[in-house]
Amino acid sequence: EDKVVQSPLSLVVHEGDTVTLNCSYEVTNFRSLLWYKQEKKAPTFLFMLTSSGIEKKSGRLSSILDKKELSSILNITATQTGDSAIYLCAVEDAGNMLTFGGGTRLMVKP
Amino acid sequence: GAGVSQSPSNKVTEKGKDVELRCDPISGHTALYWYRQSLGQGLEFLIYFQGNSAPDKSGLPSDRFSAERTGGSVSTLTIQRTQQEDSAVYLCASTQVPRQTTFTNTEAFFGQGTRLTVV
Repeated sequence: EDKVVQSPLSLVVHEGDTVTLNCSYEVTNFRSLLWYKQEKKAPTFLFMLTSSGIEKKSGRLSSILDKKELSSILNITATQTGDSAIYLCAVEDAGNMLTFGGGTRLMVKP
Repeated sequence: GAGVSQSPSNKVTEKGKDVELRCDPISGHTALYWYRQSLGQGLEFLIYFQGNSAPDKSGLPSDRFSAERTGGSVSTLTIQRTQQEDSAVYLCASTQVPRQTTFTNTEAFFGQGTRLTVV
């Protein structure tokens, strides 16, 4: 059974801090890893990672995949209160099935 | 429409009643997921439809839960004899699975969810 574990479960920081969120996985026939941000009901897509060691970047957010360690990190630099959300990691297997982790709840205080 | 549409957006029901939740995926998306999210929790997988294949129902928590996907498009999730622990946000997502096996583009598009409250 595919498994995705995210850490930490929750995190409280102050504006301007840098945070690193972790995602580790066990999946048969890995295809890709995806990161989502969930502020209200619907998660919104952030990144899809398929190749190890290649960083994807969007503004203050960046992510990288390590297939050897079966993990990924999501970095947020110069955090803002608007970054407060649940960050979800999901992995896709060869059958195109997505398995989500439990999420990391980030709170950024002013 | 342009995105995944779910209805109703909110539903309050009495314990013991049946409810039906609807999901309209993005046109052409062959894969459809139902998830449940209780307050403060992560996404709990319920069921997965992929094209004409038999659905993966391994996440359904009890036999009170069932789902259908008619014509490979619209899906309904039915909860019979609702219980208070069924209260949650029910999210639907669809993905476009390409024909080529060497390419992946499995970004999942989520609907806005249905908030179910069982009183």
